[in-house]
Amino acid sequence: NAGVTQTPKFRVLKTGQSMTLLCAQDMNHEYMYWYRQDPGMGLRLIHYSVGEGTTAKGEVPDGYNVSRLKKQNFLLGLESAAPSQTSVYFCASGEGTFYGYTFGSGTRLTVV
Amino acid sequence: AQTVTQSQPEMSVQEAETVTLSCTYDTSENNYYLFWYKQPPSRQMILVIRQEAYKQQNATENRFSVNFQKAAKSFSLKISDSQLGDTAMYFCAFRSGNTGKLIFGQGTTLQVKP
Repeated sequence: NAGVTQTPKFRVLKTGQSMTLLCAQDMNHEYMYWYRQDPGMGLRLIHYSVGEGTTAKGEVPDGYNVSRLKKQNFLLGLESAAPSQTSVYFCASGEGTFYGYTFGSGTRLTVV
Repeated sequence: AQTVTQSQPEMSVQEAETVTLSCTYDTSENNYYLFWYKQPPSRQMILVIRQEAYKQQNATENRFSVNFQKAAKSFSLKISDSQLGDTAMYFCAFRSGNTGKLIFGQGTTLQVKP
């Protein structure tokens, strides 16, 4: 089925560990986004990409890195996880025009 | 920097009645897009309605309509004939026409009561 797939769906990390979240879309979308969702904070933009090979900082980029080596994939990395990064992470992709955006089902990350 | 503000953390409405969710935004751009998304308990994000800033006419999708006031930078969502399935968190979103950045407000939790 066409859409946005996030891997993994759940993960528990120890403080200081690193990990990479994968977002894959098969709709040939140019624009891709990573968000974190915390209670009372809404969805906050971490990083985004306007095309293959490009990345840009969002509202809360500190502690995260991203890469978009292939158009269909957008990777979010945590180099040294901290408890403050415990959150639900969402990826989204879109055409970048008037049309809405397709979201993944989210990754629940817990850092202990 | 652009910001999106939803000042109502929680709202409730009786089934079949009408409710309006508020959203204000701040931008210096003239070319942008606005959206309302719904997030039910399943956590899936669902597009409800969208509006292009250069269009003065308010968007409508069945029971959902918006009141877009560009000068006031306001983008409220009206839900008519509320249904139990409308119970969800609603997010207002702003997309820059210049940079492609897509940002969201804090969300409003709507409960529809039978």
